[in-house]
Amino acid sequence: EVQLVESGGGLVQPGASLKLSCVASGFTFSDYWMSWVRQTPGKTMEWIGDIKYDGSYTNYAPSLKNRFTISRDNAKSTLYLQMSNVRSEDTATYYCTREAYYGYKSYFDYWGQGVMVTVSS
Amino acid sequence: DTVLTQSPALAVSPGERVSISCRASEGVNSYMHWYQQKPGQQPKLLIYKASNLASGVPARFSGSGSGTDFTLTIDPVEADDTATYFCQQSWNDPRTFGGGTKLELK
Repeated sequence: EVQLVESGGGLVQPGASLKLSCVASGFTFSDYWMSWVRQTPGKTMEWIGDIKYDGSYTNYAPSLKNRFTISRDNAKSTLYLQMSNVRSEDTATYYCTREAYYGYKSYFDYWGQGVMVTVSS
Repeated sequence: DTVLTQSPALAVSPGERVSISCRASEGVNSYMHWYQQKPGQQPKLLIYKASNLASGVPARFSGSGSGTDFTLTIDPVEADDTATYFCQQSWNDPRTFGGGTKLELK
């Protein structure tokens, strides 16, 4: 059974940094591209970015590229999201997702349960 | 960015057929996908690439469309289908989501 378990969320002050983790199990982690997606309290969904199966390439939503960094440790089957200089608008539930491909474009076939990040002073 | 527009909410009775629409601001080929999110849960994949049923998803769910107009159909609707349904495109960068359609049962 595919499982994605996020951690590392919580209350953080504006301007601070935070690193989220996602531990994967039930599949060969190193075979898959992975993404982070967030959902605001108003339920708006936003794709943050993704990372190639071997960690050699990352792709980000332009609006977030300068503050967010995605990485992975295939030996630990773990995906990371480093958030820096966080703002109140970064308050959201953050989901780790696995990507599946049909042709050369992907979709999100499995999602973690999500981790809440609240940015507030 | 490609904007995906969905109706905010629909209300139907169990046993009826319901169609949920998603309109893209520019063409997305057939790379439109649908997800179901129940309250307090993570999204779940229903349909990928416009019309392909995801593994384990009941055949009551189907998808259609190409270009800019897409539809998710549930026939017949069951009480357990109460949820918010999101469309998402992966043809244009960055990937984007619709605002979601909340389906309520009468």
